[in-house]
Amino acid sequence: NAGVTQTPKFQVLKTGQSMTLQCAQDMNHEYMSWYRQDPGMGLRLIHYSVGAGITDQGEVPNGYNVSRSTTEDFPLRLLSAAPSQTSVYFCASGDRSPNQPQHFGDGTRLSIL
Amino acid sequence: AQSVTQLDSQVPVFEEAPVELRCNYSSSVSVYLFWYVQYPNQGLQLLLKYLSGSTLVKGINGFEAEFNKSQTSFHLRKPSVHISDTAEYFCAVVPFGNEKLTFGTGTRLTIIP
Repeated sequence: NAGVTQTPKFQVLKTGQSMTLQCAQDMNHEYMSWYRQDPGMGLRLIHYSVGAGITDQGEVPNGYNVSRSTTEDFPLRLLSAAPSQTSVYFCASGDRSPNQPQHFGDGTRLSIL
Repeated sequence: AQSVTQLDSQVPVFEEAPVELRCNYSSSVSVYLFWYVQYPNQGLQLLLKYLSGSTLVKGINGFEAEFNKSQTSFHLRKPSVHISDTAEYFCAVVPFGNEKLTFGTGTRLTIIP
């Protein structure tokens, strides 16, 4: 089915490890974004992209890197994992504007020990 | 900076009863407003949005919301809920000219058979 695909669905890391959360969409959407969801805090924007080769910071960018080499893919990298990064991460895409995500992936549940 | 307040963290409702989920926002400029729904273990889905025009907006699954500029509110309503409406609902706001969507903390709707 068309949509936003996130991998992995679950991951446990040790403090200091690095990893990449993958996000791919097959709808040719220009706009993609990453959010983290924490209890009692709603979703917060980490980074977003308005097209291939163009990214910008959101509300909580520290400790994360992104790149957008193709329209389809928007990976999120944790450089040196910290317990504060334990969260559920959602990737989203849209074709209207960066601030109107229309499709979300099912999320990646990340635990940092 | 803009903010979104969802005063009710949990709302229990009997099946086939009406429901209203409250959302208030603050912003120094005009805004776009959104409601998203998140079913268990899934990503968010766009329920409805207000961009301009009629203040009464109809969305999917029988939901509607009314934009009230004087009260800075965007409450979500459904006249008769079903078990399948059990989910978490998020209100979100984007000020004109801003590229960052701000989410509320969510309201968990529980339907009682």
